[in-house]
Amino acid sequence: AQSVTQLGSHVSVSEGALVLLRCNYSSSVPPYLFWYVQYPNQGLQLLLKYTSAATLVKGINGFEAEFKKSETSFHLTKPSAHMSDAAEYFCAVREYSSASKIIFGSGTRLSIRP
Amino acid sequence: DGGITQSPKYLFRKEGQNVTLSCEQNLNHDAMYWYRQDPGQGLRLIYYSQIVNDFQKGDIAEGYSVSREKKESFPLTVTSAQKNPTAFYLCASSIVEGKADGYTFGSGTRLTVV
Repeated sequence: AQSVTQLGSHVSVSEGALVLLRCNYSSSVPPYLFWYVQYPNQGLQLLLKYTSAATLVKGINGFEAEFKKSETSFHLTKPSAHMSDAAEYFCAVREYSSASKIIFGSGTRLSIRP
Repeated sequence: DGGITQSPKYLFRKEGQNVTLSCEQNLNHDAMYWYRQDPGQGLRLIYYSQIVNDFQKGDIAEGYSVSREKKESFPLTVTSAQKNPTAFYLCASSIVEGKADGYTFGSGTRLTVV
């Protein structure tokens, strides 16, 4: 069965510092992996996705994530945090099998210190 | 522009009342989903539907009901049997076979019991 674990329910970084949000997945077959962002009182918006084309995936707003099969990880990074990056971030996994649903992690709240 | 529309954005329910949350999409997506989100928690799946006139229970279906009479619409009714309905409700849609595409989310409905 597929699952995803986000390490750290809350991460706080200074403006301009590196952002690193951790995600590990469990899947019996090669997965599709996603990162979503949610701003307060809004729906989720797709940041980026891994579909096996390339292990380093670039997304919107300067975020990127690297798929590491040996570590079963898909960590999200951004070189320099901006105040507007403050939001909730969700990692998600979906198996290649037919009619599979997406499984979401529990989320990581990112705070940015001035 | 294509997307998912959830209405209303805010909804207040009295004890013992049934309320219906609307979700409409014009993306021609096959599948639609309802999630519940509580403060500090992740997304919990209530119901999902992959085809018109068919739907399946998710992890927390008790106290909720849905219908899927049209491809574009997937309303959620919160019944009086749901003892703690105050939450943020998110609707999503996807192409069933397009597993690399992820889900598209609406902007959510915040339900409060008064």
